[in-house]
Amino acid sequence: EIVMTQSPATLSVSPGETATLSCRASQSVTSNLAWYQQKPGQAPRLLIFGASTRATGFPPRFSGSGSGTEFTLTISSLQSEDFAVYYCQQYIIWPPTFGQGTKVEI
Amino acid sequence: EVQLVESGGDLVKPGGSLRLSCAASGFTFSNTWMSWVRQAPGKGLEWVGRIYSKTDGGRTDYAAPVKDRFTISRDDSRNTVFLQMNSLTTEDTAVYYCTTYYLSGSSHGLIPYWGQGTLVTVSS
Repeated sequence: EIVMTQSPATLSVSPGETATLSCRASQSVTSNLAWYQQKPGQAPRLLIFGASTRATGFPPRFSGSGSGTEFTLTISSLQSEDFAVYYCQQYIIWPPTFGQGTKVEI
Repeated sequence: EVQLVESGGDLVKPGGSLRLSCAASGFTFSNTWMSWVRQAPGKGLEWVGRIYSKTDGGRTDYAAPVKDRFTISRDDSRNTVFLQMNSLTTEDTAVYYCTTYYLSGSSHGLIPYWGQGTLVTVSS
């Protein structure tokens, strides 16, 4: 099983600032890496797939990068609606494991 | 519009059983692999298992914590996937999400569609 490790666990930022979230895989997942956004009381929502492709409905201030074992999600000019928990997930092999999440808080 | 609607979540005693259902619409269900993902209160996301489409063999795979206790099945005539949970423990307390696992044109394990979740509480 591939272990996904996210850092930091919690990120405190102010609106308008940039948030940088990291995700590391225990072995290469090439670009089979997704990011999900989850707000309280809601199901997760696919944000990024293929390490860098934004899903429908998300603005360009969300960007993903990386390949192999190191990945980054960058949220520029944070808006109030961006405060949430973000999970990375590899989907190269079964089971497609998730990281433990990064909470982006005000 | 794709919709996944779970039902069946409840309070159950340790050792008990529960069956969750997920009604799907808005896509070709019979060609789609489906899965269940769970989330314990205040915790992260954990895969439960997946079921292939019948055309791909109808196979099921499970995560280690639920293997031999949980069973995923599907009824393509009703566009519904089920999760039968037996020998429940307090560790199984979670919101259970029904998800697509493999849609034609997508990648295995990438989840563009999630249900709203149904809460299973295992407590005496």
